Amino acid sequence: NAGVTQTPKFRILKIGQSMTLQCTQDMNHNYMYWYRQDPGMGLKLIYYSVGAGITDKGEVPNGYNVSRSTTEDFPLRLELAAPSQTSVYFCASSYSLGVVDTEAFFGQGTRLTVV
Amino acid sequence: LAKTTQPISMDSYEGQEVNITCSHNNIATNDYITWYQQFPSQGPRFIIQGYKTKVTNEVASLFIPADRKSSTLSLPRVSLSDTAVYYCLVGDGWAAGNKLTFGGGTRVLVKP
Repeated sequence: NAGVTQTPKFRILKIGQSMTLQCTQDMNHNYMYWYRQDPGMGLKLIYYSVGAGITDKGEVPNGYNVSRSTTEDFPLRLELAAPSQTSVYFCASSYSLGVVDTEAFFGQGTRLTVV
Repeated sequence: LAKTTQPISMDSYEGQEVNITCSHNNIATNDYITWYQQFPSQGPRFIIQGYKTKVTNEVASLFIPADRKSSTLSLPRVSLSDTAVYYCLVGDGWAAGNKLTFGGGTRVLVKP
C-alpha cells in the first residue's frame, strides 16, 4: 500500500497562474480532505469529501476548487494563484464508520510558492 | 464541534515523561478524543484515540477523567525524536461531518 500520495512535492507558481494538486489514496477510504498549513501555524481545512461525487467546503475554501469523481482521487484546483496561497498543502483520507473519527492518513505535502 | 484548548509549547529533556493536557469543556456525549503528532515538514500522524478512562498503546497513553472535560496525552521517556507538534481533536464522525478540525497544537521541544 502506498497510502496517500501527493504530487508534486514542490511547485513555484506565478501570480495568476492555475494548477492542480493531485492526491490519490489506495486504501479504499471514503473520506478525503485537503488542508493548508502556513509556517508555524496549525492545519486549516480547505475542502473535504465524504465519498465519490460529494464535496463540501471547510474553513478556507476561497480560491480553491475540488472534485471527487472516483474513490481514489481528490484533486485540488487553484485558479488565479495569489501570494496568499503560498503554503504547504496536505491531503488526507480516512474510513468513516459514522460514529467515530477513525484514523486519518496524511500525504507528505506539497510545498507551493506563489511569486 | 467541541472547542479545544492546549498549551502552545512545552519543553522537556530526554528521558522525561511529557504530559500535554487538552481542555474541551463542551465535549458532547458521542465525541471521541484523538491526538495527532506532526514532525517538521511532514503530515500529521495518528497517535491515540479514546472515549473515557485510560487508553495505552506502544507510543503513548491517554487519560480521560470521568467528566471528560479534559484529557492528557502522556509520552513516556521522550527522546529527541519526539520533538513535534501534538494536536488534540474532539469530535464525532456524524456530528462533525468527519471534518477533522485541527487547532494550533502544542509544540514540544525535547532537549538533550
